[in-house]
Amino acid sequence: SQQGEEDPQALSIQEGENATMNCSYKTSINNLQWYRQNSGRGLVHLILIRSNEREKHSGRLRVTLDTSKKSSSLLITASRAADTASYFCAINAGGTSYGKLTFGQGTILTVHP
Amino acid sequence: ETGVTQTPRHLVMGMTNKKSLKCEQHLGHNAMYWYKQSAKKPLELMFVYNFKEQTENNSVPSRFSPECPNSSHLFLHLHTLQPEDSALYLCASSLTGTSSYEQYFGPGTRLTVT
Repeated sequence: SQQGEEDPQALSIQEGENATMNCSYKTSINNLQWYRQNSGRGLVHLILIRSNEREKHSGRLRVTLDTSKKSSSLLITASRAADTASYFCAINAGGTSYGKLTFGQGTILTVHP
Repeated sequence: ETGVTQTPRHLVMGMTNKKSLKCEQHLGHNAMYWYKQSAKKPLELMFVYNFKEQTENNSVPSRFSPECPNSSHLFLHLHTLQPEDSALYLCASSLTGTSSYEQYFGPGTRLTVT
């Protein structure tokens, strides 16, 4: 399966702490993307990292990619209560004309004020 | 929101009803998607339309019937649903021909089948 598997399934931290979520996958990829979903809402694209990249930053987000280990991590620094959401990694393994994404089950992040 | 709208936001229907979900994107994208999100399951891709042509149907039961009249609009026609079809149905769009294929999601329709 190309599906990404997130770890941990749930994470609970205090405001100001860092949150780290991991994603593992099984196939070669074109890129890996991270999305956020607030409860019962649509997903919001956060950041994309290509297979030839090792690290990317966007504001308080830092994503790393290790293609040899087939894993990625998402770090949220100085977390805020508003970061409370589910976070999903999505694999783009190529092979389609439209960029098929396969999503994992997600990590539920709770940030306590 | 992200430029992708979905209506209705909530829908309760009986197993014998017929209803339709609507999705519209205002982003100039050419690919549109239907996903099903059930509790404790990964997001399931149901259908993909690329330039109005259906390019993927992931073994979805025939009680779900998609329609894509143009690149901006996508419908999901529902009939004779089962209680296990209760879920959040998400529409997304993307621009193909790029190297990234980021997808933009609507807020979803929460469907309850009674």
